[in-house]
Amino acid sequence: EVQLVESGGDLVQPGGSLRLSCAASGFTFTIYSISWFRQAPGMGLEWISYISHTGDTKYYADSVKGRFTVSRDNAENSLYLQMNGLRDEDTAVYYCARDRGHCTGGSCFRYHDSWGQGTLVTVSS
Amino acid sequence: DIQMTQSPSTLSASVGDRVTITCRASQSISSWLAWYQQKPGTAPKLLIYQASSLESGVPSRFSGSGSGTEFTLTISSLQPDDFATYYCQQYNSYPYTFGQGTKLEIK
Repeated sequence: EVQLVESGGDLVQPGGSLRLSCAASGFTFTIYSISWFRQAPGMGLEWISYISHTGDTKYYADSVKGRFTVSRDNAENSLYLQMNGLRDEDTAVYYCARDRGHCTGGSCFRYHDSWGQGTLVTVSS
Repeated sequence: DIQMTQSPSTLSASVGDRVTITCRASQSISSWLAWYQQKPGTAPKLLIYQASSLESGVPSRFSGSGSGTEFTLTISSLQPDDFATYYCQQYNSYPYTFGQGTKLEIK
């Protein structure tokens, strides 16, 4: 069974840092790219980051670029999201999700077939 | 960025009804569209990918259609378990973007 389990969410003051983890099991982690999403309380879903299966390629939403860093440890089947310079508006449930899709004509198109249960990050003084 | 607009924002329906949710993209996304279902306090669940392909394990009463900029999600006969919020998402280009969601309520 495919499983993704996020951890590391906490209450942090504005300007602070936090590192989220996403532990994967039940599939060959090394061949899948992974994405991070978040959902502010009572709001919709927001894509925030992508990391390729090797970790060589990373993308970020403008809202987190320069503050958040995604990484992975394929030996440990784990994914990380280092969040620095946290702001009130970063308060949300953060999800990791496995990417699936295909590449054609030099472009790749990825949807997200398995999601973790989420971890809550609260930024407040 | 590609803007995704869903309608309606809220939909009241009864068990057994046929319902349709619409999603419009601000520019063509070919068929690179997914639909997700989310229940309160839980993670999103993939229903449909590539506009019309049903994810494994998802009941056949769910169907998707469309291409370019207009897409629909149809539930042919609502079941009690279907009352939830539904999101469309474009994965044509980064940043991937979602519609604002459609909350399906019991009438």
